[in-house]
Amino acid sequence: EAQVTQNPRYLITVTGKKLTVTCSQNMNHEYMSWYRQDPGLGLRQIYYSMNVEVTDKGDVPEGYKVSRKEKRNFPLILESPSPNQTSLYFCASSIDRASTDTQYFGPGTRLTVL
Amino acid sequence: AQSVTQLDSHVSVSEGTPVLLRCNYSSSYSPSLFWYVQHPNKGLQLLLKYTSAATLVKGINGFEAEFKKSETSFHLTKPSAHMSDAAEYFCVHLSGGYNKLIFGAGTRLAVHP
Repeated sequence: EAQVTQNPRYLITVTGKKLTVTCSQNMNHEYMSWYRQDPGLGLRQIYYSMNVEVTDKGDVPEGYKVSRKEKRNFPLILESPSPNQTSLYFCASSIDRASTDTQYFGPGTRLTVL
Repeated sequence: AQSVTQLDSHVSVSEGTPVLLRCNYSSSYSPSLFWYVQHPNKGLQLLLKYTSAATLVKGINGFEAEFKKSETSFHLTKPSAHMSDAAEYFCVHLSGGYNKLIFGAGTRLAVHP
């Protein structure tokens, strides 16, 4: 089954404790991205990647890092989480940059930073 | 700057009555516009998309949207609501650089028996 998976689905952590949210897709997609969803703000893009070893900042990259060492994986790293990073996070992928109109979304990761 | 405005944060309808979710966009050129749906505790799913072909776009689950350039609108409609339509709906614009989607704030649709 074609899908985007994220782990963990739920995470409660404390300020300053490094964490990684994994994202994996099995569709051989080139383009992957991370979004955060906050009430009243819709989804905002954090980082995106157009292919292996090619990443770039989205609209709200501060406090986040990403890597793209393999085509299928695109982990989101919070080196020193803060409470304002409490949010619902979505990973998404599409065939390529030109097909970002049809993105496949993961199920989401709900992060709480205390 | 490109933007998307969803005019209602919450919409409540009775089952079997029409649904109207309103969206206005801001763009200096012909836009690509979409509606996504998010059911509780689920990821987002593409409902329909407009890419400058027909102005009336049909999507899944009986939804459709009409692109009106003169009104800069892309409202989502459905003739008869089902309980399963209760979800959050996002109007989305594809940026000119073709590398990201710009989301509206979302409209939460409630459907009552």
